[in-house]
Amino acid sequence: AQTVTQSQPEMSVQEAETVTLSCTYDTSESDYYLFWYKQPPSRQMILVIRQEAYKQQNATENRFSVNFQKAAKSFSLKISDSQLGDAAMYFCAYNAGNNRKLIWGLGTSLAVNP
Amino acid sequence: DTGVSQNPRHKITKRGQNVTFRCDPISEHNRLYWYRQTLGQGPEFLTYFQNEAQLEKSRLLSDRFSAERPKGSFSTLEIQRTEQGDSAMYLCASSLNVGQPSYEQYFGPGTRLTVT
Repeated sequence: AQTVTQSQPEMSVQEAETVTLSCTYDTSESDYYLFWYKQPPSRQMILVIRQEAYKQQNATENRFSVNFQKAAKSFSLKISDSQLGDAAMYFCAYNAGNNRKLIWGLGTSLAVNP
Repeated sequence: DTGVSQNPRHKITKRGQNVTFRCDPISEHNRLYWYRQTLGQGPEFLTYFQNEAQLEKSRLLSDRFSAERPKGSFSTLEIQRTEQGDSAMYLCASSLNVGQPSYEQYFGPGTRLTVT
């Protein structure tokens, strides 16, 4: 079965602190890519970071980094130096196969406290 | 071209009416995807096009739903005889299938449908 599980429906973090969002997935495909998307309230889905499954090195984009554990099928997102603008719903997703459609988790709502 | 656009942004309709949404992808992108997102859920795949060909449809896409992408440019999603369960955000995304190994998708702002 193709699934993505985000076990934390809600998280909160103090401004300037670090927070980690969890994600596990299940796929039988060998060629796939993993993504974290951010969806601010009433705004569009924005790509935060991507990870190629064949790469062992964890992806990093400024304050955002991932911990990719392929054998465990785990793909967590770490946000460092959290900012008020980071408050949003965060979705973990992957694509695979010829159609490359995205399979999504239910999301984690992140609040950033000043 | 600055991104994916969708129109209308909001649509309120009465049960039983037909509605049509439009998506304009990033101009050089040959793949176009439709997703549906209900409140508190992650998006769910509905269908996708490569150029003008509709290559896959989800079983979520009942016979009341139809999508087109004439000439491989913009796409329309029509819902006939709307039901209250169709109330959702309809998201469109586009991507390249060559020269972009991750096939990452760029999303529009969505069309929020409310069926009363």
